[in-house]
Amino acid sequence: GQNIDQPTEMTATEGAIVQINCTYQTSGFNGLFWYQQHAGEAPTFLSYNVLDGLEEKGRFSSFLSRSKGYSYLLLKELQMKDSASYLCAAMDSNYQLIWGAGTKLIIKP
Amino acid sequence: GAVVSQHPSWVICKSGTSVKIECRSLDFQATTMFWYRQFPKQSLMLMATSNEGSKATYEQGVEKDKFLINHASLTLSTLTVTSAHPEDSSFYICSARDRDTGVNFGSGTRLTVV
Repeated sequence: GQNIDQPTEMTATEGAIVQINCTYQTSGFNGLFWYQQHAGEAPTFLSYNVLDGLEEKGRFSSFLSRSKGYSYLLLKELQMKDSASYLCAAMDSNYQLIWGAGTKLIIKP
Repeated sequence: GAVVSQHPSWVICKSGTSVKIECRSLDFQATTMFWYRQFPKQSLMLMATSNEGSKATYEQGVEKDKFLINHASLTLSTLTVTSAHPEDSSFYICSARDRDTGVNFGSGTRLTVV
């Protein structure tokens, strides 16, 4: 079956670095997405990886290892506004997104 | 680029009435659009896949007669919740597939049925 696993909740300190991991199993693979979702809002796109390696975009970076079915989202210089849920989603061979349940990130001062 | 516009952002309707939600790809042609529903504290649930000019493909457990999907053009798909009931109150989100940037999400529609 198809499955996405990511931690339910993480806590980090303002100004620090946090890494949110995601493992996936899908029928075929067309990329791995990370989304940020604030309560009551639709998810907003953060990153897309389809090749192995690290993609850096400002304070956010995303890593993918296709052979391991593994990705992580790295957030640097954490700000209070980064408190949100972070959704990992893998796109299968039919171009449909298989979503994880999301990781709730709590930032403390 | 690759903006998906979803309208309305929120709607309140009476039980038994129908509500239409629009999803538009503003600067790209979307041959495929997806409709999702989000339950509280859960991830998005795919309801159906809509291909331009053909009938939508519904996920198991989703009533096609209740959730009518029309993808009449390459830039517009609509979801109509027919004879809405309070249990249909939820957050509905569409997404459109762009071949260059992948899947782009609309901002969502919060439906409240009273």
